[in-house]
Amino acid sequence: DAKTTQPNSMESNEEEPVHLPCNHSTISGTDYIHWYRQLPSQGPEYVIHGLTSNVNNRMASLAIAEDRKSSTLILHRATLRDAAVYYCTDSNSGYALNFGKGTSLLVTP
Amino acid sequence: DTEVTQTPKHLVMGMTNKKSLKCEQHMGHRAMYWYKQKAKKPPELMFVYSYEKLSINESVPSRFSPECPNSSLLNLHLHALQPEDSALYLCASRRGGVVNTGELFFGEGSRLTVL
Repeated sequence: DAKTTQPNSMESNEEEPVHLPCNHSTISGTDYIHWYRQLPSQGPEYVIHGLTSNVNNRMASLAIAEDRKSSTLILHRATLRDAAVYYCTDSNSGYALNFGKGTSLLVTP
Repeated sequence: DTEVTQTPKHLVMGMTNKKSLKCEQHMGHRAMYWYKQKAKKPPELMFVYSYEKLSINESVPSRFSPECPNSSLLNLHLHALQPEDSALYLCASRRGGVVNTGELFFGEGSRLTVL
């Protein structure tokens, strides 16, 4: 199974940018990088995904290293509602997603 | 409709009971998933159905029996569970088949307690 590593926790001030890192040590050329987040008492929520190029959507940006061994999820202005556990995953051509341990993001006012 | 609906939200059962968890989506998605999540742990993949056929079973004990009667519905039948099976059970769906690279849509989960 593909494996990812993330810091256990990170902290940010409200309205500041947040950069959440992820290492993809076993990623292969066809593996997509996905990010999900899980708010307390809810199911995981899709954030963003990409293959090689950097990606932007209304929620966040995804920066993928040239060798694809690392990715960074960027929240441009953190809000209190962004406090959640953020999971990065990689999967073979979008096959079943196995979640890593995740980063718990604390946002302080 | 972009929802995955799971019922019941909470379930308490004894070790000799038989119960079922239900998951429904009306987005036309053809891949459906069961995950198990223990407290403060990431979701663990259990089963994946693609076009109503079981395509992945992550070595799940036979006391968990999945069923996909049609493309909108996914069940998880539970029998002779153990207290350590207590967890949040999450259903998810994805457009297209298993190899589609799109996003997973998750339900809010069914919280199971086994006494």
